[in-house]
Amino acid sequence: DQQVKQNSPSLSVQEGRISILNCDYTNSMFDYFLWYKKYPAEGPTFLISISSIKDKNEDGRFTVFLNKSAKHLSLHIVPSQPGDSAVYFCAASAPRVGGGKLIFGQGTELSVKP
Amino acid sequence: DSGVTQTPKHLITATGQRVTLRCSPRSGDLSVYWYQQSLDQGLQFLIQYYNGEERAKGNILERFSAQQFPDLHSELNLSSLELGDSALYFCASSFRGASTDTQYFGPGTRLTVL
Repeated sequence: DQQVKQNSPSLSVQEGRISILNCDYTNSMFDYFLWYKKYPAEGPTFLISISSIKDKNEDGRFTVFLNKSAKHLSLHIVPSQPGDSAVYFCAASAPRVGGGKLIFGQGTELSVKP
Repeated sequence: DSGVTQTPKHLITATGQRVTLRCSPRSGDLSVYWYQQSLDQGLQFLIQYYNGEERAKGNILERFSAQQFPDLHSELNLSSLELGDSALYFCASSFRGASTDTQYFGPGTRLTVL
């Protein structure tokens, strides 16, 4: 049962344009969502998070949008840079699922072309 | 650098053997998490400890066990290893171990079972 889904395994974007990565979830108990970036042979690096009481959170070039009614979140990167090329994972947690357990999506590989 | 350290970086062993993976959390973090990333399963939560006590458990096999020591470092023990246990094992840490904590990941241990 895939509770967090990233339906696009890959995305290619031109440098300077916007990258939009999408994530859907099925469990309405999730109340905290995070995006991580991962380079090969490294651990996931935290990017940005959003609580379910908000619908938007910004940090520099990164903005996360949450649509609770649609159970959908997205990560916008503007402008995209070649160094953003990596695999992006969305993750979710819920207080009653158990502690701080994170449920991850399968990841989207972003390629930003110069 | 997330501040989470994991040793060893690589481990090659044979089926039926036992190995121990080690993790030191970020300074000040009380909770440690273990995740497994295999090719076909993505990042899967295994187990969480908070201040030495088990807090949450995922789909961790009975052949696997973990503990968190008084100095807050953690060890993941994998025994009777099978080929399918080959994966990347990540440790993460957070301050309180709550569902709204941000988890910071270590660089991982790549386990190869031959």
